[in-house]
Amino acid sequence: SVLTQPPSVSAAAGQKVTISCSGSSSNIPNNYVSWYQQLPGTAPKLLIYDNYKRPSGIPDRFSGSKSGTSAALGITGLQTGDEGDYYCVTWDNSLTAVVFGGGTKLTVL
Amino acid sequence: QVVLVESGGGVVQPGRSLRLSCVASGFSFNDYGFHWVRQAPGKGLEWLADIWNDGITKYYGDSVRGRFTISRDNSKDTLYLEMSSLRADDTAVYYCARDDDNVGNALDFWGQGTMVTVSS
Repeated sequence: SVLTQPPSVSAAAGQKVTISCSGSSSNIPNNYVSWYQQLPGTAPKLLIYDNYKRPSGIPDRFSGSKSGTSAALGITGLQTGDEGDYYCVTWDNSLTAVVFGGGTKLTVL
Repeated sequence: QVVLVESGGGVVQPGRSLRLSCVASGFSFNDYGFHWVRQAPGKGLEWLADIWNDGITKYYGDSVRGRFTISRDNSKDTLYLEMSSLRADDTAVYYCARDDDNVGNALDFWGQGTMVTVSS
């Protein structure tokens, strides 16, 4: 994938986790990053847009940030219902294409 | 409420063609761009194509450029994906998603997906 995410992360219920998304000069620095949550057996759902903004209905336990060629998704107060896959997405100016990260599987212990 | 419903999936032989549809409701279809994204079994999400609300501007991912065509019919509130020269590695769940420039062109609503299996 053009955007690199860790394959998996885990943390105990109630704790915090951060999922990284590493790109390059042709994508993350000059474009908005969005994040999606895909719970088992369901369609993806928008969690974060414009790097750090949350759509209505998304709790403030979810946060986004961006710096240089990387972005990150933070989740606090982990719940078992947060278990699933998380994807970062942005536009790549060189490829003239939308690019997805490979996805990160979150396990809540 | 915003609803996207994909259809047209099924089992198709390698080398054949298939057309997927995505019917939208609950919003003004003409005002939005749309994307197709797929997910092979047990794999991550892969972006395929998008089409702007002008119906003219389109972009494609490398894996499908020249084989897949995205289009829309605003009179029917429907998005299409015409797939040709299908291969086994096109087997996946195919999702349509709405692109909203009010949220930085993020994909703010997704359909439930339609399964395409390419097999002889």
